[in-house]
Amino acid sequence: DIQMTQSPSSLSASIGDRVTITCRASQTISNYLNWYQQKPGKAPTVVIYAASTLQSGVPSRFSGSGSGTDFTLTISSLQPEDFATYYCHQGYSMSPISFGQGTRLDIK
Amino acid sequence: QVQLQESGPGLVKSSETLSLTCTVSGGSVSSYSWSWIRQPPGKGLEWIGYILSGGITNSNPSLKSRVTVSLVTSKNQVSLKLTSVTAADTAAYYCARHVASGSHYWFDPWGQGNLVIVSS
Repeated sequence: DIQMTQSPSSLSASIGDRVTITCRASQTISNYLNWYQQKPGKAPTVVIYAASTLQSGVPSRFSGSGSGTDFTLTISSLQPEDFATYYCHQGYSMSPISFGQGTRLDIK
Repeated sequence: QVQLQESGPGLVKSSETLSLTCTVSGGSVSSYSWSWIRQPPGKGLEWIGYILSGGITNSNPSLKSRVTVSLVTSKNQVSLKLTSVTAADTAAYYCARHVASGSHYWFDPWGQGNLVIVSS
């Protein structure tokens, strides 16, 4: 099974800050890594797929990078609507499918 | 534009079977692959199981013997059955479509979620 570990688990930041969230896979997954944003009481929505491809409609301040086992999600200049919980998801193995434990991003 | 809506009971008794449906609008349920994903209150996401467009199913080994994912094509729905539930199965349950590009896939969209509480 592929285990996904995110860091940090929580993060406080201010409007305009640059923020980076990390996801590490327990084995190499090439670039089969997706990022989701979840706001309280809502379903997750995809932000980045295939490690670095921005989902249509997602602001360009979001970016993703990485390959192999280490990946990052970066928000270049935090906006109020970006405060949410972010999850990574490995799309390399479908048996089983796995997510990171989440990173909660809140306002400092 | 595909939209998903989960439905089912919000309260299930311990040891009984949890049954949820996901109604798909804007597309044919047979044309896509689907997953069920759950989230206990205040916790992270856990994949439950999927049904691929070719009919292959698979589920989380931690739940495998209790999970059935199927299509109800006449109603354009995806179904989830989870047997012998306990309090640990209390969660918001989401259905999600697999979107593929080449060999990559991701989940989009997700339904709004159906909170299920297991009571004793």
